[in-house]
Amino acid sequence: NAGVTQTPKFQVLKTGQSMTLQCAQDMNHEYMSWYRQDPGMGLRLIHYSVGAGITDQGEVPNGYNVSRSTTEDFPLRLLSAAPSQTSVYFCASSYSSGANYGYTFGSGTRLTVV
Amino acid sequence: GEDVEQSLFLSVREGDSSVINCTYTDSSSTYLYWYKQEPGAGLQLLTYIFSNMDMKQDQRLTVLLNKKDKHLSLRIADTQTGDSAIYFCADPAYSGAGSYQLTFGKGTKLSVIP
Repeated sequence: NAGVTQTPKFQVLKTGQSMTLQCAQDMNHEYMSWYRQDPGMGLRLIHYSVGAGITDQGEVPNGYNVSRSTTEDFPLRLLSAAPSQTSVYFCASSYSSGANYGYTFGSGTRLTVV
Repeated sequence: GEDVEQSLFLSVREGDSSVINCTYTDSSSTYLYWYKQEPGAGLQLLTYIFSNMDMKQDQRLTVLLNKKDKHLSLRIADTQTGDSAIYFCADPAYSGAGSYQLTFGKGTKLSVIP
């Protein structure tokens, strides 16, 4: 089925470890983004990309890196995990970054940093 | 920056109507969105409204938009237990170069009492 695929679904990290959250979409969407969801905070934008080779920071980018080498993939890297990065992470994609396009979300990665 | 506000909780009896409210600050908003998140899942696009409309109806869902007061509401008629979820209001915020990023409210958790 067409959509946004996130892996892994669950992950436990120790403080200081690094890891990459994977996101792939098969809808040929130009726009992709990463959000984190924390209780009482809603969704906050981490990084986004308007096309292959183009990335930009969102509201809460510190501690995270992204790259977009292909249209399909948009991985999120945690450089040195901290307990404050315990969260649920969602990847989303859209046909374009225009205001008139809704997002398709992945099912999320639940990350715990101990 | 752009701000989107929602009440956090709503409880209704099965069969009653639910009304979820949202206020936003960006007066240039052209599209406004409602997303639904079921437990343990990602967000799914529920409906949207274009800014030149006052109302949009889609089966049991009615969206009302008051641009003057920057107020958006989602009415669910004949609420069912399957409607229990978190509902997010989202407004595209302009980030430059023709690009928009969705700003989400904190979400309203709807609990349906059988």
